[in-house]
Amino acid sequence: GGIITQTPKFLIGQEGQKLTLKCQQNFNHDTMYWYRQDSGKGLRLIYYSITENDLQKGDLSEGYDASREKKSSFSLTVTSAQKNEMAVFLCASSKRDWGKDTQYFGPGTRLLVL
Amino acid sequence: GMPVEQNPPALSLYEGAESGLRCNFSTTMKGVQWFQQNHRGRLITLFYLAQGTKENGRLKSTFNSKERYSTLHIKDAQLEDSGTYFCAANYNQGKLIFGQGTKLSIKP
Repeated sequence: GGIITQTPKFLIGQEGQKLTLKCQQNFNHDTMYWYRQDSGKGLRLIYYSITENDLQKGDLSEGYDASREKKSSFSLTVTSAQKNEMAVFLCASSKRDWGKDTQYFGPGTRLLVL
Repeated sequence: GMPVEQNPPALSLYEGAESGLRCNFSTTMKGVQWFQQNHRGRLITLFYLAQGTKENGRLKSTFNSKERYSTLHIKDAQLEDSGTYFCAANYNQGKLIFGQGTKLSIKP
């Protein structure tokens, strides 16, 4: 088995602030993902990475940067937090490309921008 | 319309009952995944299908890419089945579109 950890669990930021979220997995999975979930809605893909140092944009990449520093970690940066923004950011990983393999999700980081 | 339409938005079942959830797609999709999100927000992948039908215990899922739909059937519903269920369709490499979810409540 394995686990995905996300830090921090809760993140409160100020408008215009640059905020970084981190994700670690010990599945030894190749592919990692960042999703955003707004209240009562489905997930939207922000970025994904199929291997170390790889980066692929999802549908919601504008306003975000990401970095796959090593195979086990994938970080997401909100480049300029928007006032009253509130969402959950979910990290996931899979052994291969997501279309062909099960994704495992972390517990999420809850963001609130004041 | 929406690329992925999921129905119903909410569903209430008594323990032991069965029912189905459905996602319709506006275009041909390469695959579909079904997820359960529990009350803590934790997402669990239930199925991924490129085509056909898969079964796992009390759950069964079907994906028909030609007819542009997928279903998730739950039988003998249990309290722990409560949560929000999402389908997500693969329409292009790396692009996963989620439905709006079905909030399932199981009553004792």
